[in-house]
Amino acid sequence: AQSVTQLGSHVSVSEGALVLLRCNYSSSVPPYLFWYVQYPNQGLQLLLKYTTGATLVKGINGFEAEFKKSETSFHLTKPSAHMSDAAEYFCAVTGYGGSQGNLIFGKGTKLSVKP
Amino acid sequence: ETGVTQSPTHLIKTRGQQVTLRCSSQSGHNTVSWYQQALGQGPQFIFQYYREEENGRGNFPPRFSGLQFPNYSSELNVNALELDDSALYLCASSLVGQNGETQYFGPGTRLLVL
Repeated sequence: AQSVTQLGSHVSVSEGALVLLRCNYSSSVPPYLFWYVQYPNQGLQLLLKYTTGATLVKGINGFEAEFKKSETSFHLTKPSAHMSDAAEYFCAVTGYGGSQGNLIFGKGTKLSVKP
Repeated sequence: ETGVTQSPTHLIKTRGQQVTLRCSSQSGHNTVSWYQQALGQGPQFIFQYYREEENGRGNFPPRFSGLQFPNYSSELNVNALELDDSALYLCASSLVGQNGETQYFGPGTRLLVL
């Protein structure tokens, strides 16, 4: 069965510092991987996704993630944090079986950005 | 192009009652998925509808049921509400519901069961 582990439920960085949010997945088949962001009292917004091809994926708001099959990881990075990046971030993998399109989410990482 | 909308935004019910949540898909999308997000957790897949038929289901009991209408809007019904049903319910729409396809989420309905 597919699963997602996000290391660190809470990450705090200073404005301008590197953001690194970790995601590891388990999947018996080639995965499709996603990062979503959730601002307070809002739904989820897609940051980026990996399906096939280039393993370094660029998303919105300056975020990027690299698919590393050997490490079963899909960590999210941003070179320089901005106050507006404070939110909760969810890594997800496509589930297989039953539905072709359901997503399996990690528990999320709350990002705080200090001025 | 309108995004995914959900109603109501908030709802309070008591144990044993029934509730209906509604979702309008993004324009052009024909697949709707529903997720439950408990406080401090990631969303969990409830079920997906494609062309008005259930197209997969997560680990939720039968008292969670749904409908999709010809205009691709959808309802989530929950019978015999339990305290643990208190959560944010998210609806997501996509074009076909295939692996790797982007799902676009609505703002959610926050349900509180007392």
